[in-house]
Amino acid sequence: GNSVTQMEGPVTLSEEAFLTINCTYTATGYPSLFWYVQYPGEGLQLLLKATKADDKGSNKGFEATYRKETTSFHLEKGSVQVSDSAVYFCALNDNQGGKLIFGQGTELSVKP
Amino acid sequence: GAVVSQHPSWVICKSGTSVKIECRSLDFQATTMFWYRQFPKQSLMLMATSNEGSKATYEQGVEKDKFLINHASLTLSTLTVTSAHPEDSSFYICSASIPGLARTGELFFGEGSRLTVL
Repeated sequence: GNSVTQMEGPVTLSEEAFLTINCTYTATGYPSLFWYVQYPGEGLQLLLKATKADDKGSNKGFEATYRKETTSFHLEKGSVQVSDSAVYFCALNDNQGGKLIFGQGTELSVKP
Repeated sequence: GAVVSQHPSWVICKSGTSVKIECRSLDFQATTMFWYRQFPKQSLMLMATSNEGSKATYEQGVEKDKFLINHASLTLSTLTVTSAHPEDSSFYICSASIPGLARTGELFFGEGSRLTVL
């Protein structure tokens, strides 16, 4: 079945450090891939998405490229801020039933 | 646009009582809504898919009689936790898809409802 695997957290970085959160997936067909972010005390928000191979999603300085050859969708940001502290979820949709399958989430803590 | 709102945002109840959580799409019609459960420090577990005007489709291992889902209108889905017990304490999150965006898989999430059963 479809699944998503993320690197385990928590990840602690200093402000302005480079961020990578790894995400790999297993799916049949051609899923859409997403990164959602959950700030403390809030619901999930879509951060970025990619719907086909080699697409790059980007938003708020974050980027992720849909790599079909490595079945990956790693999240990157060149310079993190304290306000980026949150839990990040990688997810896929198999474009058949509308369901999203989530990874386990990676908690990011950015220190000043 | 695409705002989904849940109510209540938190609720405390006694063991054995039932609790209803509402999920509303405020500025769009949602033919399909999804209910997730999130345990502390863990991912979201899909509980069921709620379709307007029909019975919900539950994921394997989710008790239909324990978690009653009703999707009576295009803007409202409800989750009722019946005869709640402490192990039902969790963060429940609903989400909805916009019909035109359903194929892309993007979902819009409510703020979540934290249930604590004493």
